Amino acid sequence: NAGVMQNPRHLVRRRGQEARLRCSPMKGHSHVYWYRQLPEEGLKFMVYLQKENIIDESGMPKERFSAEFPKEGPSILRIQQVVRGDSAAYFCASSSGLAGGSYEQYFGPGTRLTVT
Amino acid sequence: AQKITQTQPGMFVQEKEAVTLDCTYDTSDPSYGLFWYKQPSSGEMIFLIYQGSYDQQNATEGRYSLNFQKARKSANLVISASQLGDSAMYFCAMREGGKTSYDKVIFGPGTSLSVIP
Repeated sequence: NAGVMQNPRHLVRRRGQEARLRCSPMKGHSHVYWYRQLPEEGLKFMVYLQKENIIDESGMPKERFSAEFPKEGPSILRIQQVVRGDSAAYFCASSSGLAGGSYEQYFGPGTRLTVT
Repeated sequence: AQKITQTQPGMFVQEKEAVTLDCTYDTSDPSYGLFWYKQPSSGEMIFLIYQGSYDQQNATEGRYSLNFQKARKSANLVISASQLGDSAMYFCAMREGGKTSYDKVIFGPGTSLSVIP
């Protein structure tokens, strides 16, 4: 499967627990974006990362949320001490990042987080 | 202010008819890109079509075409010969910037399209 992979597809957490969402970009892609989609709404940008660097985190809540894209392994979106309002679909997208390369961001299938 | 406006929360179209989904955008950047994505009930985001601000011709991809009116800042999606499988949410989105073409994409609120047999 050469597409963007996200796991888990569904995640249930109780209030106060931690949620870890993983994203493996398409092969050859070095740019990763995380978006959040609340019920009945469009996608909202959260963070843009390159390998080992956070480029733009202007959409990330100031507390409890963090993201990383290590040199090896998938990108991780971490939500600490989850609350009911964190229930949403979290999408990861990747792009090639090559000069003159594709403008297109390829999306993963999303992780649906439910906080009980 | 809203960067992307989609004024039609829901639309209905008869199978085999054409439908236009509206999208207007707001930017002061001369270089930008416009996208349309489809999100079926299964939840995945499917890229449909892209229009760059400097593209001379309107983008087309199979049954999808983008009616790009730069002066009016509109980028409507036209789906010809609607099929039942076209029933989904449709999101208009914009990327601002030229050199930094990997910036975040801003999404509109979406339009729910239902195709009637």
